[in-house]
This record gives sequence, structure tokens and C-alpha cells, in this order.
Amino acid sequence: DVQLVVSGGGLVQPGGSLRLSCEVSGFNFGAYWMSWVRQAPGKGLEWVATLNQDGSETYYLDSVKGRLAISRDNPKNSLYLSINTLRSEDTAVYYCARAYLVVVPDIMPVLDYWGQGALVIVSS
Amino acid sequence: EIVLTQSPDTLSLSPGERAIVSCRASQSVRSRYLAWYQQKPGQAPRLLVYGASSRATGVPDRFTGSGSETDFALTISRLEPEDFAVYYCQQYGSSPGTFGGGTKVDI
Repeated sequence: DVQLVVSGGGLVQPGGSLRLSCEVSGFNFGAYWMSWVRQAPGKGLEWVATLNQDGSETYYLDSVKGRLAISRDNPKNSLYLSINTLRSEDTAVYYCARAYLVVVPDIMPVLDYWGQGALVIVSS
Repeated sequence: EIVLTQSPDTLSLSPGERAIVSCRASQSVRSRYLAWYQQKPGQAPRLLVYGASSRATGVPDRFTGSGSETDFALTISRLEPEDFAVYYCQQYGSSPGTFGGGTKVDI
């Protein structure tokens, strides 16, 4: 079965940093583009980042460029999202997801498998 | 960026009834690059439809996507108890790609 398990969330002070991890199993991780999507409490979904199979191409929502970094380690079947200079508006559940269909790299793909998400709370 | 407006915000129905969720785009969505997702409380979204009308693997045929350009719809022909959830549309034809605000289908 395809599984994506997200870890690394928690309470962080404004201005701080953290790294989320997404460990996957059940499919050939290195063959897929991957993305991160976030959802603020009680709000809708917002795509934030995508990267290609070998991690050489990364794409971000304009509003998070420079503060978020998506990366992967294929031998470890793991995807990462580093967030710096955290702000209150970064408070959200962060989901990792597998790209099913990539039309254009800088456009959010269609996502077919999602992890359960990790809650990040930015508060003092 | 393309703004997707879903309506209604909430749809109150009973099992066995038909549900129609609307998704209107602020400009034309090229090549019908529109997907639908289902999200239940405390769960991750699930892909239902892509390309406006193609069902994802394992999705029951009571879920049907339709539409083009700026007007799209997701129809659930006969609601099952497990279908009560929030539904989101997503366009992936214009950067950066956007989601609609969601429609809650509840009892």
C-alpha cells in the first residue's frame, strides 16, 4: 500500500525554523514529482512547493519563496520541507503529496496520494 | 492568478439524494485542467477527478465531473453515508495553480 507519513510539526516561536519530513513507502519514490500543500486551521488548501524526481528542479508559491525549501533524499524515500523565519500565517497542517500529473512544472500538479499531515503552530 | 469560487458553501442533503457542487473560475481554465478532491474531517484530501471528467483510480462511478472553460461541476448521483465531506476543486492550467474554497456536503 502507498503510505506517506509526515513528521516534524509542533509549536514554534515566530522567527524560528523547522523541518518537516515525509517518509514514503509502497511506490518507487524516485520516479515521482512530489509536493507540499498546507491548510490553515478551518481554511482551504494552498499549494506551497513542488520538486522533480531527482530534486534538481524546485518550484514555490511566490509568497513563500526564500523562506521555504523543498528537498528529497531518494535512497531514504524521504521528502523534506524546511521553513525559515516562521510567521503566524504559516500556522497550518502541512501535507506531503505525490504528483500524479504534472502539466507545467511551475504549476501545482494533480496530487493522488497524500500524507496525513503535520500541524505547525507559530506562536509565542 | 485564477480564482475558483465554489458554491454553495454548504449543501445539506440526505443519503440517496443527488449532490451538485459548482466551481466557477475567474478566467477560462485551459484544456479543462480541473480536478476535484474529497476531504473528510481529520483526513488528507483524496483525488476524485482530474481533467474535469476523468475519475481517479478506485473512485465510484456515482462521482461525475463535468464542465469547461469557467464553469465546472461535481455531481454525486446518490449520496452514500461515506460521501458526507468537504469537496475542493483545483485548477492546474495556470500558474501557480489554485484551489477553490470548498463545499461541505452534510446531512
